[in-house]
Amino acid sequence: GAVVSQHPSWVICKSGTSVKIECRSLDSQATTMFWYRQFPKQSLMLMATSNEGSKATYEQGVEKDKFLINHASLTLSTLTVTSAHPEDSSFYICSAQQGSFSSGNTIYFGEGSWLTVV
Amino acid sequence: DAKTTQPPSMDCAEGRAANLPCNHSTISGNEYVYWYRQIHSQGPQYIIHGLKNNETNEMASLIITEDRKSSTLILPHATLRDTAVYYCIVANNNDMRFGAGTRLTVKP
Repeated sequence: GAVVSQHPSWVICKSGTSVKIECRSLDSQATTMFWYRQFPKQSLMLMATSNEGSKATYEQGVEKDKFLINHASLTLSTLTVTSAHPEDSSFYICSAQQGSFSSGNTIYFGEGSWLTVV
Repeated sequence: DAKTTQPPSMDCAEGRAANLPCNHSTISGNEYVYWYRQIHSQGPQYIIHGLKNNETNEMASLIITEDRKSSTLILPHATLRDTAVYYCIVANNNDMRFGAGTRLTVKP
């Protein structure tokens, strides 16, 4: 199964700037990566599903122009929070899978990235 | 929306078995049941998953009812480090959504 790494672990940025978070599948190729956001004391909320070489599928209510997702290779997906605002401050988590859930593949999650917008 | 229902919280004595229930009455035939846990400020940690047979690994056992409408995660000898939020997830075709989970507190 894939071991997933995120970078950076935490980042502070100024309001109005953009910040990029990387998600890497370290020991296998990930056909699909998922991006989640988690606010304090809440569960993980799925933001988008990213398939290698194609456009991401965003969940309802998630602005695709604000949260840019790129999945250019089978081992790397990036999430760019554009024109960040303090309300975007959150814990962002990615996961990676090879194949589909119907195959019973193990899905691993990254360590998460804390974003604080000041 | 999540397809599972879990109790919001549970306590367990250290050294005893922790049994965490999950209801997934709308599960379909090709959907797997996955269990993860999350310790504060970390990414979810994979525990176990199964389709219809009971599963066991070094961390836990997963018991799935014959009709597959519910399951139980068993931590055989809970330790203080098992205190976490445990998530039961039914996953289908590139869709993995989290419910609220169960906050397990292991007490000395």
